[in-house]
Amino acid sequence: AQSVAQPEDQVNVAEGNPLTVKCTYSVSGNPYLFWYVQYPNRGLQFLLKYITGDNLVKGSYGFEAEFNKSQTSFHLKKPSALVSDSALYFCAVRDQAGTALIFGKGTTLSVSS
Amino acid sequence: GAVVSQHPSWVICKSGTSVKIECRSLDFQATTMFWYRQFPKQSLMLMATSNEGSKATYEQGVEKDKFLINHASLTLSTLTVTSAHPEDSSFYICSASLQGAWNEQFFGPGTRLTVL
Repeated sequence: AQSVAQPEDQVNVAEGNPLTVKCTYSVSGNPYLFWYVQYPNRGLQFLLKYITGDNLVKGSYGFEAEFNKSQTSFHLKKPSALVSDSALYFCAVRDQAGTALIFGKGTTLSVSS
Repeated sequence: GAVVSQHPSWVICKSGTSVKIECRSLDFQATTMFWYRQFPKQSLMLMATSNEGSKATYEQGVEKDKFLINHASLTLSTLTVTSAHPEDSSFYICSASLQGAWNEQFFGPGTRLTVL
């Protein structure tokens, strides 16, 4: 069965510092991996995805993620955090045969000024 | 880009009434739509997968008679919460897949349901 783990409920960083939001996954076959961001009382906004190709994926708002097959991880990163990055971040996975996304529990990112 | 809308964005109803939530793909045809439920500060839980012109596929534990899903066209899916109760209060989010591009999903803004 597919699953996604986000081990941190909350990540706190100071503005200007690099940030990492962790995600590990379990799926049979090759994974399709996604990161979404959610602001309060809003739907999900797509940040980036890994389907195939380069392990380092660049997405919206300066975010990037690195696919690591041996560690089954897909951590979200940003070199310099902004206060406006504060939100709830979800990692999601789907296997090649599936259609629906399976989401992690979410990680709240708090960036302080 | 592909846009998905939901209506209403917020609804408050009395216990025992039914509420219909619409999910529309505005600028593309969606053969598949998904309905998720999200409790405060929790992840999205898939409720059902809806394919145009056929019956929805419900996830285990989701009552199909309580959460009626209709996907009558390639741009519209509806979720009706029948005989709503306070425990049905939640944030409901739909997503839609582009026809022929099943690995891409676009999410609606969500509908907050409060049952008194």
